Amino acid sequence: QQQVKQSPQSLIVQKGGIPIINCAYENTAFDYFPWYQQFPGKGPALLIAIRPDVSEKKEGRFTISFNKSAKQFSLHIMDSQPGDSATYFCAASDQGAQKLVFGQGTRLTINP
Amino acid sequence: GAVVSQHPSRVICKSGTSVKIECRSLDFQATTMFWYRQFPKKSLMLMATSNEGSKATYEQGVEKDKFLINHASLTLSTLTVTSAHPEDSSFYICSARDPYLAYGYTFGSGTRLTVV
Repeated sequence: QQQVKQSPQSLIVQKGGIPIINCAYENTAFDYFPWYQQFPGKGPALLIAIRPDVSEKKEGRFTISFNKSAKQFSLHIMDSQPGDSATYFCAASDQGAQKLVFGQGTRLTINP
Repeated sequence: GAVVSQHPSRVICKSGTSVKIECRSLDFQATTMFWYRQFPKKSLMLMATSNEGSKATYEQGVEKDKFLINHASLTLSTLTVTSAHPEDSSFYICSARDPYLAYGYTFGSGTRLTVV
C-alpha cells in the first residue's frame, strides 16, 4: 500500500531525446508527488512536483504527467543533455503522515 | 528554497566505535527532520523521524539502540551510529520540510560512512 513502483531501472538516451520515467502508486491518500535528481555522492535535489488536482506540470525542460484514475505519474525530460545523466527518484507523500515514500530509482544516461 | 547542511560528508571509523552525523537547518527552524539510509545503487530508506524536544520515531526494523537520534534544538538533529560494524557502512541522508515550498522537502548532501 505504501509502495511507489518506478520503471525503468536504467535508461540510455541520445542527446536531444526525451527520456520518460514512470511511477505507479496504490495509496489513494498520497497527495504530493515530487521527482528528485541525485548525482553520485550527493543528496537528492527536488526537480519538480505535482499535486493530484492537475494532470500536467512543466518547469523548464521537465514535465510531470499525472493520471489520477490510473494512479500513475511520469517524468519527461525535453531536449536531454549529457548533464542530465543522474539517478532520478519519484516519490509520494501523504501530508498527514509527512513521510516521503521513494520509488526504486532510474539511472539515466544521456549519450553525447 | 531552504538549506539543510549535513556534516561530515565522509567518515571512516573502526569497528566498535561510534560516529555522530549532524544535520542543521541553516535558514529555517525544523521541528521535524528525517533520516534516510541509502545503499549503493538503491533507493532511500526512511530510518526515523526526528522530533525536536521528544523521542524519535523509528521505522520498523531499525534498531533504536544502534542508531541514536537527538533533536535537541530547532536547527540541529544528530544521528549517532553506535558500536559501528562494517554492515553499517552506507550513505546517510537527512531531510526536513522546506518552509518555503507548500509541500516540499529539502535534503542534506549526505554522509558516506565506511566502517573498517
